Amino acid sequence: KAGVTQTPRYLIKTRGQQVTLSCSPISGHRSVSWYQQTPGQGLQFLFEYFSETQRNKGNFPGRFSGRQFSNSRSEMNVSTLELGDSALYLCASSADSGSGETQYFGPGTRLLVL
Amino acid sequence: GNSVTQMEGPVTLSEEAFLTINCTYTATGYPSLFWYVQYPGEGLQLLLKATKADDKGSNKGFEATYRKETTSFHLEKGSVQVSDSAVYFCALIRKTGANNLFFGTGTRLTVIP
Repeated sequence: KAGVTQTPRYLIKTRGQQVTLSCSPISGHRSVSWYQQTPGQGLQFLFEYFSETQRNKGNFPGRFSGRQFSNSRSEMNVSTLELGDSALYLCASSADSGSGETQYFGPGTRLLVL
Repeated sequence: GNSVTQMEGPVTLSEEAFLTINCTYTATGYPSLFWYVQYPGEGLQLLLKATKADDKGSNKGFEATYRKETTSFHLEKGSVQVSDSAVYFCALIRKTGANNLFFGTGTRLTVIP
């Protein structure tokens, strides 16, 4: 079974721009979560989607948004980019709708904001 | 609240040395516990997991036991290899409620030949 895939792998943007990142979960997985990884803050939860609905959200400003499609693929969008948004963005998928399921991660998208 | 406290690194060991990375947690209820590993330039890979007290997770020579009485999930390996050099993250997820992982800060392991 193919793993979680994320595109693009690398991005360079400038302040004020917006960016869209894409995630394809493991086949059959319906839950997709997004995390931000930075050297200063570590791994922080952004949001989780299940059946095209956001079920859970972390403590990030409204500039961070996401969506999920009927095939479970997910996108996240960051508008009005700031320098502090430079990070590795990780997507994870899990099989079931319940809590406590094992999450499997993709390779990440590394975003650099100049 | 929910949190994970992980041994500060970096940790440098010689090949074939014994490895322990300490992890303790605070959680409401009884969470599932995980160790993830991150190699340079990559995402997180699941290393092992345990879902209830006294469970032992194991994979690739690594082991960790879910200790409810000490709220710990320490990672061990009897003989490390150079290829084990990576960053290791301890994490928990609740079995009810919000479905997100809480991570420790990560421990960087370097194994020298």
